[in-house]
Amino acid sequence: EVHLVESGGGLVQPGGSLRLSCTASGFAFSEYHMDWVRQAPGKGLEWVGRSRRKTYSYTTEYAASVKGRFTISRDDSENSVYLQMNSLKTEDTAVYYCARVFSPGANDAFDIWGQGTMVTVSS
Amino acid sequence: AIQMTQSPSSLSASVGDRVTITCRASQGMRNDLGWYQQKPGKAPKLLIYAASTLQSGVPSRFSGSGSGTDFTLSINNLQPEDFATYYCLQDDGYPLTFGGGTKVEIK
Repeated sequence: EVHLVESGGGLVQPGGSLRLSCTASGFAFSEYHMDWVRQAPGKGLEWVGRSRRKTYSYTTEYAASVKGRFTISRDDSENSVYLQMNSLKTEDTAVYYCARVFSPGANDAFDIWGQGTMVTVSS
Repeated sequence: AIQMTQSPSSLSASVGDRVTITCRASQGMRNDLGWYQQKPGKAPKLLIYAASTLQSGVPSRFSGSGSGTDFTLSINNLQPEDFATYYCLQDDGYPLTFGGGTKVEIK
């Protein structure tokens, strides 16, 4: 069965750092782009960024709100994608989801999601 | 960045009703839009991609349409398990952007 499991969330002070992990099982991880999406408490969904697969040179994309502070990386040998979050702000408080990018033709969609991990930025 | 304006933000409906949710893009796109359903405390679930293609396993009472700037999600014969929040997501360009969400509540 296809699964994504996030880990690494927790409480961190403003200005601090945290590294989230997302580990995949049940599919050929290396063949997919992987994204991060977050959801602040009681709010809507916000796209955070993308890690492209090897054939796209492992390039990344970021939302403006996190660019320069967050870094997405992946380790295909570990079937994992990571979100390194630095200089955290209170507004980064959210549930963070990883999602598999399904690319039928020219479109992208998130067909598999993890259960999410909560990040709380507070003093 | 492409802004996605979703409406209504909430609606009340009864089992058996037909409901329609709209997303308007701030600039023209092809068919680069998906629809997601989210229930409280759960991860979103993909319903429709490429504006109108039903994801495998999703009931046929869900349908999507549109292109350019205006896109619609319709749910025919609303079922109790359909009460949830729905989001559109554009994948036409970076940054990807979600609509603000539509909460479908029981009347």
